[in-house]
Amino acid sequence: DGGITQSPKYLFRKEGQNVTLSCEQNLNHDAMYWYRQDPGQGLRLIYYSQIVNDFQKGDIAEGYSVSREKKESFPLTVTSAQKNPTAFYLCASSTYGQGNQPQHFGDGTRLSIL
Amino acid sequence: AQTVTQSQPEMSVQEAETVTLSCTYDTSESDYYLFWYKQPPSRQMILVIRQEAYKQQNATENRFSVNFQKAAKSFSLKISDSQLGDAAMYFCALSGNTPLVFGKGTRLSVIA
Repeated sequence: DGGITQSPKYLFRKEGQNVTLSCEQNLNHDAMYWYRQDPGQGLRLIYYSQIVNDFQKGDIAEGYSVSREKKESFPLTVTSAQKNPTAFYLCASSTYGQGNQPQHFGDGTRLSIL
Repeated sequence: AQTVTQSQPEMSVQEAETVTLSCTYDTSESDYYLFWYKQPPSRQMILVIRQEAYKQQNATENRFSVNFQKAAKSFSLKISDSQLGDAAMYFCALSGNTPLVFGKGTRLSVIA
C-alpha cells in the first residue's frame, strides 16, 4: 500500500542535542511538507519541498533544518537552537500543483525533552 | 497572507443529529482551494472534503457537506446523522499558490 511513513513514533531529546525525524513516502509525490502541532495551535508549516534538492522555509523554520536528496525522503532535523521542541510533528506529501491537491499525512512523531 | 479562523474551539452533538462547524478565511488570491480535515484521537489527519473556489456548487461527501459562501469568505462543514466515530478535531484549511494554511481546529464531541 502507498503511504507516508514517519519514524520514530516517539523521540526524546536531551538539552543541546540535535535529533532527526524521518519521513518516507512511496506515493510518487513531488511535494513534501513538515508541520508542527501544539495544543490549541493547529498545524504550523516548518519547511516544504516541491522538488528534489530544493526546499523553502515555512512560518516557523527557526531551529529546524531539512534536506531533500531523494524524492521519497524528507528528513527534519530539530537542532539545539530550537528552544521549545516539544510537540507533535507531522509530515505530508502531495502531487505537484499543490493548491488543488490534498495533502496526505503520516502518523506523526511526538518529540519530548528529557 | 492567507489566514483561516475557526471560532468554535469545541462543539458537541447528539448521536444522529446534525452539527455545523464554522470556518472563515482570508486570501488575496482568486484561485484557491478549501479543505476540511479530521484528526481522531489516533492523531492521523484524514481528508474529509474539498472545495474548489471557482465552483459555485457546494461539495458533498456522504454525510458531510459544505456551505461555501465565497463573497463572505465562509466555508462551514455540516455533518448529518452524526456518529460516535465522528468525534475528533476538525481543521479547516486553505491552499492557493502556497502550502496549506490551517485553522486552530474545532473539537467535536458526539454524545450517545
